[in-house]
Amino acid sequence: GENVEQHPSTLSVQEGDSAVIKCTYSDSASNYFPWYKQELGKGPQLIIDIRSNVGEKKDQRIAVTLNKTAKHFSLHITETQPEDSAVYFCAARRLSGGYNKLIFGAGTRLAVHP
Amino acid sequence: GAVVSQHPSWVICKSGTSVKIECRSLDFQATTMFWYRQFPKQSLMLMATSNEGSKATYEQGVEKDKFLINHASLTLSTLTVTSAHPEDSSFYICSAPELAGGPTVEQYFGPGTRLTVT
Repeated sequence: GENVEQHPSTLSVQEGDSAVIKCTYSDSASNYFPWYKQELGKGPQLIIDIRSNVGEKKDQRIAVTLNKTAKHFSLHITETQPEDSAVYFCAARRLSGGYNKLIFGAGTRLAVHP
Repeated sequence: GAVVSQHPSWVICKSGTSVKIECRSLDFQATTMFWYRQFPKQSLMLMATSNEGSKATYEQGVEKDKFLINHASLTLSTLTVTSAHPEDSSFYICSAPELAGGPTVEQYFGPGTRLTVT
């Protein structure tokens, strides 16, 4: 089955700096890779996702890159702000033949210091 | 985007009692819902997949007689933790994909329910 590894487990940056979180997956059939932001005491919220037919996707300060050959994908946050502080989870699954479950990474706790 | 709600947001119960958590899709129909459990500083672990009108599918290691799931309608799934014990204390989160005529993509998460068993 699919296995998703995520690094680093914690990340501390100064406001305005960039933050990068990396994930690797094991199942070459996975073709959908979402990223979730979870604030304390709340459910995860989708912030960006990417399908395997593209290599990069950007939404304002957030971007995701995907390397299918190496089976890894990364989240890039530029110009970080204190409100970006949260736990971020990557995930992977197949988009085919019914609904396949999301497999989550272990999470990265991001702290943005003013 | 679509909205998934949960009730209650937090609950405290005594050991040995049962607790019911509701998950609703507010503006879309969900034939499938997912129940996750999250311990402090850990990732989300899928417990079971709830299917409207049929039995739930449980992940390996999850006791189906302890975590009863009922998906009674296209907008409501419930999780009942029976004979709760302190080790069941956790953050329970439900999720539902919005069907879009093809392979479903986005999965919407509820706000979670904090269960504390004393």
